[in-house]
Amino acid sequence: GAVVSQHPSRVICKSGTSVKIECRSLDFQATTMFWYRQFPKQSLMLMATSNEGSKATYEQGVEKDKFLINHASLTLSTLTVTSAHPEDSSFYICSASRLANSGNTIYFGEGSWLTVV
Amino acid sequence: GEDVEQSLFLSVREGDSSVINCTYTDSSSTYLYWYKQEPGAGLQLLTYIFSNMDMKQDQRLTVLLNKKDKHLSLRIADTQTGDSAIYFCAEVAGGTSYGKLTFGQGTILTVHP
Repeated sequence: GAVVSQHPSRVICKSGTSVKIECRSLDFQATTMFWYRQFPKQSLMLMATSNEGSKATYEQGVEKDKFLINHASLTLSTLTVTSAHPEDSSFYICSASRLANSGNTIYFGEGSWLTVV
Repeated sequence: GEDVEQSLFLSVREGDSSVINCTYTDSSSTYLYWYKQEPGAGLQLLTYIFSNMDMKQDQRLTVLLNKKDKHLSLRIADTQTGDSAIYFCAEVAGGTSYGKLTFGQGTILTVHP
């Protein structure tokens, strides 16, 4: 079953509004989660590292005031796209690292399709 | 910085083996991963290999790692039409916040009946 869950899977919002995407680790605690963005037919690009209890670390070129990240608990990180515009339409996907006896494995959520109209 | 390269397309017949290749530049990579992405879906973890290993086999999947050449491959035996998808290799660079992945461009695998 799913190890990392995202919600919503699809969302349509009006230009200028904000939308929140949730990422949950289902049966393990994740002090660090990661948010990626994927445009059609392209690879995944890391947007930011979400740190539980502290500020997120953003990659170069990612606007921290536009993409608000909150990691208030060990199992939940949220990404809020503020004042969304059509060019923000994309596939957003999160990941979390799980430590097991067999090693560190990195699991991804199902992804969230955002369409801004 | 880290860079990961993959061939963009691979086409095989059902029942044949598929080999997807990947090269990376960061010699301090600790783990290397293979993910599968079907249209409109998230990423499914297929397998991973630790950097001190040369090979890892998991059912139909075989991962080969050549650290000297910084080359990683994924072999899918007895490829089925359900294996058609995009396959991404990704590395975790050493010394960075664990879990931060650098992805290749993805290889589109098409399996013909």
